[in-house]
Amino acid sequence: SQTIHQWPATLVQPVGSPLSLECTVEGTSNPNLYWYRQAAGRGLQLLFYSVGIGQISSEVPQNLSASRPQDRQFILSSKKLLLSDSGFYLCAWSVSLRGGGDEQFFGPGTRLTVL
Amino acid sequence: DQQVKQNSPSLSVQEGRISILNCDYTNSMFDYFLWYKKYPAEGPTFLISISSIKDKNEDGRFTVFLNKSAKHLSLHIVPSQPGDSAVYFCAASVWSSNTGKLIFGQGTTLQVKP
Repeated sequence: SQTIHQWPATLVQPVGSPLSLECTVEGTSNPNLYWYRQAAGRGLQLLFYSVGIGQISSEVPQNLSASRPQDRQFILSSKKLLLSDSGFYLCAWSVSLRGGGDEQFFGPGTRLTVL
Repeated sequence: DQQVKQNSPSLSVQEGRISILNCDYTNSMFDYFLWYKKYPAEGPTFLISISSIKDKNEDGRFTVFLNKSAKHLSLHIVPSQPGDSAVYFCAASVWSSNTGKLIFGQGTTLQVKP
């Protein structure tokens, strides 16, 4: 069966510091990968998605970047964090071929607080 | 421009009764609709989905209804249980650039009282 891991679970960082969040998927090959952010009291906003190694698409302009160095590894980064980067960050995966209902499966999330 | 809206931020239901969660959308290009359940500090869990060519899909206690003419979908939970208490998100999908992009509503917090 497939599993998705995210770490760290919780992170407190000062403004201006760098960020690296990691996501890995097990039990599947060539998944589509996604990064979402949930701000307090809000829905989930898609930040980045990737359909293959080295292929990154950004949905919203922001202070963050993403990379996919390996098939099942997805990294969210920032060079200098802003207060507005605080939130709950979620990684998700889906199958790469459309055959079902476009379901995405989410990791446990990382709570980021920027002070 | 919010393409997927859940206008009720919260809903309280008695155990054993029906819970009805609603969702509206604006983009007629969406072709799949999904419901997720989320507990605090956890990732969302997929519940049920429906294709735009159907008007009903059922899975155990969960049924999703789609009214394309009204651009409205709803999730029915019967009977409701205290363990169903969580935030429920509806999402709509459109296939683009080799991926199904999900647009989420703001969520509805369901409380099921024993």
